[in-house]
Amino acid sequence: DVKVTQSSRYLVKRTGEKVFLECVQDMDHENMFWYRQDPGLGLRLIYFSYDVKMKEKGDIPEGYSVSREKKERFSLILESASTNQTSMYLCASSLPLTELFFGEGSRLTVL
Amino acid sequence: GQQLNQSPQSMFIQEGEDVSMNCTSSSIFNTWLWYKQEPGEGPVLLIALYKAGELTSNGRLTAQFGITRKDSFLNISASIPSDVGIYFCAGQGQGAQKLVFGQGTRLTINP
Repeated sequence: DVKVTQSSRYLVKRTGEKVFLECVQDMDHENMFWYRQDPGLGLRLIYFSYDVKMKEKGDIPEGYSVSREKKERFSLILESASTNQTSMYLCASSLPLTELFFGEGSRLTVL
Repeated sequence: GQQLNQSPQSMFIQEGEDVSMNCTSSSIFNTWLWYKQEPGEGPVLLIALYKAGELTSNGRLTAQFGITRKDSFLNISASIPSDVGIYFCAGQGQGAQKLVFGQGTRLTINP
């Protein structure tokens, strides 16, 4: 089975802190994605990567950056967390042009 | 960013009832996907549709890829308590690495 593992299920951070959300997949997928999920807004794409060291902006990249140094790992970085970044963050991976497999999510609260 | 129009946004039904939800788009898609997200978890793929007009079943779930390639529906027959969750549709255009998601349908079942 495909497994996408997100490092933290729940985080509480303070405004201005730097936050790292880590995601690892074990199926050798080329593509990896970071989504944000908020009630009534569905899943919104923050960034995605289709290869090591490659990244592309999604629909809401402002305030976020990403890193993909290894194929299996895709990190989401909040350089200076703000309260409006309180949300559920979902990582996903896929082969090219195929369905996404999601991690369990990381619920971030910024105080 | 582009989003699909998914309806209804929420449903409150009695156990044993049938459920129907749909998604529409102004764009043509080559693939339609239906995901289910249970509380505190990431979305899990239920059904994938790859051909216009395709009707696919997965147990009590049935989904169809609209002939116009701009819509899809998901039906759940004889609902049971474990069907509770949020259902998302997602579309993928030709050659697109990204999915476009609907806003989700939150299903609540009264026993």
